[in-house]
Amino acid sequence: RKEVEQDPGPFNVPEGATVAFNCTYSNSASQSFFWYRQDCRKEPKLLMSVYSSGNEDGRFTAQLNRASQYISLLIRDSKLSDSATYLCSFASGGSYIPTFGRGTSLIVHP
Amino acid sequence: GAVVSQHPSRVICKSGTSVKIECRSLDFQATTMFWYRQFPKQSLMLMATSNEGSKATYEQGVEKDKFLINHASLTLSTLTVTSAHPEDSSFYICSARDLAGTGTHEQYFGPGTRLTVT
Repeated sequence: RKEVEQDPGPFNVPEGATVAFNCTYSNSASQSFFWYRQDCRKEPKLLMSVYSSGNEDGRFTAQLNRASQYISLLIRDSKLSDSATYLCSFASGGSYIPTFGRGTSLIVHP
Repeated sequence: GAVVSQHPSRVICKSGTSVKIECRSLDFQATTMFWYRQFPKQSLMLMATSNEGSKATYEQGVEKDKFLINHASLTLSTLTVTSAHPEDSSFYICSARDLAGTGTHEQYFGPGTRLTVT
C-alpha cells in the first residue's frame, strides 16, 4: 500500500456544487495532517491543518478519521477560483518528516 | 507572516554547469527546511531535509554529491545542483517550518525555482 493515496481526478463540478476529496495514509503513527492548494506552476499553499475533532474555515471543512486512516476535505458552494490541485500531507516520526499525496485536481466550471 | 522566498525563480543553464538556489525564511526562524522536486503533473518529491548547523538528510535515491545542501543560518538554506544535466530540469521548491510555530508542524513554501538545463 502506498504511503498516501489520493484520487488524481479531475473532479469537474459546476459553480455552487459541494465536492469532497479523501486522502488515505498508511502510517498509523502519523500525527499531523494538512491540506494544501497548488495552482498550476506555483508552489503549494497551506489551506488548512486537520485536527482530530474536525475543523472548518468558511466553505472548507476538514476531517480526520484515524480508525480508517484518512482525511477529507469538503468544499461547499464551489467557486471558479477553487479550481486547483489539492494536496494532502501528513507528518510523522520524531522529526515530523512530511509526506505528500500526488494531489486531486478540481475544476469548477460556470 | 510566514513568508519564504526563493531565488532565482527561473534559471536556464547549460549542461555540466552548477546552479545554486537560495531559500530564505523572511519573518521567522526555521531550524528545518525541506527541498522538493516536482515534475509536471507529478507529486512533490522530498529530496532532503535541511537542519541548521548540521548535515542534510537525503531521501533514498537522491545523490548528496550532486545536490549539495547548506543550511548555515536559521533563515537561509541553499541547494546547489552540480554538473546539471537535462534530466535535472524540474521545479525545485523549498519549504520551512516556523521554529516558534503552533506545534502543528505546518510548512510554508517558497515560490519555487524552475530549472531548465539545455
